Amino acid sequence: DGGITQSPKYLFRKEGQNVTLSCEQNLNHDAMYWYRQDPGQGLRLIYYSQIVNDFQKGDIAEGYSVSREKKESFPLTVTSAQKNPTAFYLCASSLGQRQEPQHFGDGTRLSIL
Amino acid sequence: GENVEQHPSTLSVQEGDSAVIKCTYSDSASNYFPWYKQELGKGPQLIIDIRSNVGEKKDQRIAVTLNKTAKHFSLHITETQPEDSAVYFCAPGGSNFGNEKLTFGTGTRLTIIP
Repeated sequence: DGGITQSPKYLFRKEGQNVTLSCEQNLNHDAMYWYRQDPGQGLRLIYYSQIVNDFQKGDIAEGYSVSREKKESFPLTVTSAQKNPTAFYLCASSLGQRQEPQHFGDGTRLSIL
Repeated sequence: GENVEQHPSTLSVQEGDSAVIKCTYSDSASNYFPWYKQELGKGPQLIIDIRSNVGEKKDQRIAVTLNKTAKHFSLHITETQPEDSAVYFCAPGGSNFGNEKLTFGTGTRLTIIP
């Protein structure tokens, strides 16, 4: 079955450490996205990529980094510069054209030890 | 950027009754209007979407209506069932060519009372 896989489901980080969240899709989608969701709030866009080897900052990119070396993969690194990293992180993908839906993975919950 | 407001933030309805959630947006160039359902611990799932050349779309118990002049669109769920309990998000977008950026509302927690 086609879909988006995020791993791990739960992740713990010590202060001062970088941590990388994995996102893989087998939908043959060109565009991929990372969102952050805090309790009781909507989704906020961190980074997005419309094509391999290219990506753009979203609304809250500070303290995060991404890469897009393969069409199927869009890993997100939460760096030590991110002061409040505890959140639910969601990855999505789409065909990358206007008026097309985004398809989401089931998220990674990151907590600070 | 796009400003999105979603109302109400919480909604409780008796099983079998109807539920309506409204989403207001600010970017008049937006032309794609999806609704997502999120269950606890899961990612959002698309339940229905509408494009700007259509005023209404229905899929079984779910419908979306669009008023582009007033810049709002609404989700209608009829004959509600316990499995409809979830958080619902609107996410208007599609205004930039070649870019499927969506702006999410803050969500509506729908509770169906058996």
